[in-house]
Amino acid sequence: NAGVMQNPRHLVRRRGQEARLRCSPMKGHSHVYWYRQLPEEGLKFMVYLQKENIIDESGMPKERFSAEFPKEGPSILRIQQVVRGDSAAYFCASSRAGTGAGDTQYFGPGTRLTVL
Amino acid sequence: GENVEQHPSTLSVQEGDSAVIKCTYSDSASNYFPWYKQELGKRPQLIIDIRSNVGEKKDQRIAVTLNKTAKHFSLHITETQPEDSAVYFCAASSNFNKFYFGSGTKLNVKP
Repeated sequence: NAGVMQNPRHLVRRRGQEARLRCSPMKGHSHVYWYRQLPEEGLKFMVYLQKENIIDESGMPKERFSAEFPKEGPSILRIQQVVRGDSAAYFCASSRAGTGAGDTQYFGPGTRLTVL
Repeated sequence: GENVEQHPSTLSVQEGDSAVIKCTYSDSASNYFPWYKQELGKRPQLIIDIRSNVGEKKDQRIAVTLNKTAKHFSLHITETQPEDSAVYFCAASSNFNKFYFGSGTKLNVKP
């Protein structure tokens, strides 16, 4: 009974490099959500995707951040030209159905990004 | 948009005592309220949830109450145990879209 999987679990990047975070939803789940958690803080919504569609990206910074959920393969959160302020834990969650359908979100173990 | 506030930020109780964590929300359209437990370095795990058509829900030592009129909901843990020590987050959602999380409560249960 595999849950939501994320990799890598830890990622170290130097300022200016690119970070790619991957998320495989639970089996049977087609909705993916990305959240960011700064130390000692709550989770902040970034983006909500279905296969090949971005449903809501209202929490995503306008520059340097992008997300995709292709027809095949995991969802990817991409951060270009990372800065120290991007250091955080990035959690992915998945649900079987999305808006209005009554299914909750289950979280992956997170990717801890450290920008040197 | 929705704003979720959570209190207290830290809570220390003696083993066996009860713990109560409170959250308020601002958007009257919110209709789903999950609670997550997060241990250090681990993923948030759903422990209980409540929908807006219900006022109270209980699961063994854990219960959640919802007051839609006042826009607040609370988590109650009875007979606390050391393994209950963790950070607890409340969240609010409208139609199971994105979740808005509170800032968390660090619960310490002293043996």
